[in-house]
Amino acid sequence: DGGITQSPKYLFRKEGQNVTLSCEQNLNHDAMYWYRQDPGQGLRLIYYSQIVNDFQKGDIAEGYSVSREKKESFPLTVTSAQKNPTAFYLCASTQRGNTGELFFGEGSRLTVL
Amino acid sequence: KQEVTQIPAALSVPEGENLVLNCSFTDSAIYNLQWFRQDPGKGLTSLLLIQSSQREQTSGRLNASLDKSSGRSTLYIAASQPGDSATYLCAVIRGFGNEKLTFGTGTRLTIIP
Repeated sequence: DGGITQSPKYLFRKEGQNVTLSCEQNLNHDAMYWYRQDPGQGLRLIYYSQIVNDFQKGDIAEGYSVSREKKESFPLTVTSAQKNPTAFYLCASTQRGNTGELFFGEGSRLTVL
Repeated sequence: KQEVTQIPAALSVPEGENLVLNCSFTDSAIYNLQWFRQDPGKGLTSLLLIQSSQREQTSGRLNASLDKSSGRSTLYIAASQPGDSATYLCAVIRGFGNEKLTFGTGTRLTIIP
């Protein structure tokens, strides 16, 4: 089945540590996105990538980093510079040049201890 | 700046009733609008996408309408079931690229058996 796989589903981090969230898609989509979701707030865009080896900052990129070395993979690193990293992180993808319909993974919940 | 509002934030209705969820946006220059469903602790599931040239889309018991001139979209759910309980989010895409997508904060729907 085609889809987007995020791992791990739950992650605990000590303050000062970097952590990497994985996002893999087998939909052959060009564009991939990372969103952050906090209670009572809408989804906020962290980073996005429209093609391999290229990515752009979203609205809240500070304290995060990404890479796009392969079309199917778009990992997100939450660095120690992110002041409030506890949140639910969602990866999404879409096929450019199509209707723009966005598809999401199941999410990763990061908790800083 | 595009703003997307979903009112009410929470709604409870008895099983079997028809219901309407609302989504308002401030900038009518949109590319398309997408409705999602989110279950607790899960990712977003795409329900319906309405392109800017369309007035409505239907899938099973769901019907979404779009009125760009008034900045409104509605999601109609017929014959509601307990399994429809979830948070429903709308998202507006202003440009061709999804980086310009803006989410509402959602309506949490509870269907009472």
